[in-house]
Amino acid sequence: GAVVSQHPSRVICKSGTSVKIECRSLDFQATTMFWYRQFPKQSLMLMATSNEGSKATYEQGVEKDKFLINHASLTLSTLTVTSAHPEDSSFYICSAREGTAPNQPQHFGDGTRLSIL
Amino acid sequence: DAKTTQPTSMDCAEGRAANLPCNHSTISGNEYVYWYRQIHSQGPQYIIHGLKNNETNEMASLIITEDRKSSTLILPHATLRDTAVYYCIVRAHSSGNTPLVFGKGTRLSVIA
Repeated sequence: GAVVSQHPSRVICKSGTSVKIECRSLDFQATTMFWYRQFPKQSLMLMATSNEGSKATYEQGVEKDKFLINHASLTLSTLTVTSAHPEDSSFYICSAREGTAPNQPQHFGDGTRLSIL
Repeated sequence: DAKTTQPTSMDCAEGRAANLPCNHSTISGNEYVYWYRQIHSQGPQYIIHGLKNNETNEMASLIITEDRKSSTLILPHATLRDTAVYYCIVRAHSSGNTPLVFGKGTRLSVIA
């Protein structure tokens, strides 16, 4: 079945560091990928929609200069948290839909737990 | 997309069927009902989806009422590994690129 791979699974770094998270669709092509963030005991919140070969679409309140998204190929999207601070600590999850048919389910990576000290 | 309402939490005895309800009274004709679950510290896992007919796969069954205003996810023989937060999501199929929007879900605890 369709698999979305996310790397790394966990990052611990100092405040001010920039962190890159990779999201890959392993056995299918994804023209669109989605990035979510989840704080403890809360639900997933959509951050942005990543489109291959074009600029990402960010949800209201998400800083595009803070969270850089690059979708350079049909199987890879990256999220870079620039100059991360403790309040950016969260669980980041990427997702992709297999194909363009509306009936296809959306598949999720296993998430990246980011801890900023 | 239509809003969904789910109970905050439920308990189920191991080996028994877990029936998770979801209300989506404002669902429109082109909206599907999706179910996902999230086990602690993992990404959401797709379970099942349907439009108006009941659906069954290796994981679960989805029962949608005739008026489509509510549905029930059934895990026929719950195990401890089914403990997770279950999300019922309604999504329009007007565009293949619209993302899933998550509510608060139901926290299912399977008890030995």
